[in-house]
Amino acid sequence: GENVEQHPSTLSVQEGDSAVIKCTYSDSASNYFPWYKQELGKRPQLIIDIRSNVGEKKDQRIAVTLNKTAKHFSLHITETQPEDSAVYFCAAPSTRSNDYKLSFGAGTTVTVRA
Amino acid sequence: NAGVTQTPKFRVLKTGQSMTLLCAQDMNHEYMYWYRQDPGMGLRLIHYSVGEGTTAKGEVPDGYNVSRLKKQNFLLGLESAAPSQTSVYFCASRPRGTGTSGYEQYFGPGTRLTVT
Repeated sequence: GENVEQHPSTLSVQEGDSAVIKCTYSDSASNYFPWYKQELGKRPQLIIDIRSNVGEKKDQRIAVTLNKTAKHFSLHITETQPEDSAVYFCAAPSTRSNDYKLSFGAGTTVTVRA
Repeated sequence: NAGVTQTPKFRVLKTGQSMTLLCAQDMNHEYMYWYRQDPGMGLRLIHYSVGEGTTAKGEVPDGYNVSRLKKQNFLLGLESAAPSQTSVYFCASRPRGTGTSGYEQYFGPGTRLTVT
């Protein structure tokens, strides 16, 4: 199945600075890369995703970039705010079957310092 | 719509006891999933289902069983609980989707299980 590695495991940033989280994947056939945000005690929720036919996607202060050649994708958060403090998970689908299971990274705990 | 709901929210079991976790969704989604979340290990897939009456093993299926008798419900069973099954369990669902849409998984609020 797909192997997804996520770095760093923890990230502390000053409010207003940028945060970048990187994930690598192993299956070159993977074509969909979501990012989920999980606030403390809450459920994971999709914040942005990218498909393999584009290299970058933006949604206000968050963006995701994809490098298919190197098999990595990254989440960028600009002008960080206290509400960005959460655990972020990347994922990639298992494409060896047609049922689109997701393999998740281990997560990055982001802390935004005021 | 309630989305994805899970019952119970919390549970404490003694080693060897059994229990069933219930996941329900009202979005008419075909696919349903059970994950466990442990510190530093992300979300690991236990079992999943691609439709009513079907189930399949995920990454960490040992010690768990599942059933999908109705499209809207996905049950996770622990026959003989062990301390290693102490975790937070999340259910998720998504529509069948195509190559260009429908991949988002919608998660339930989670069940915190402690096995002593």
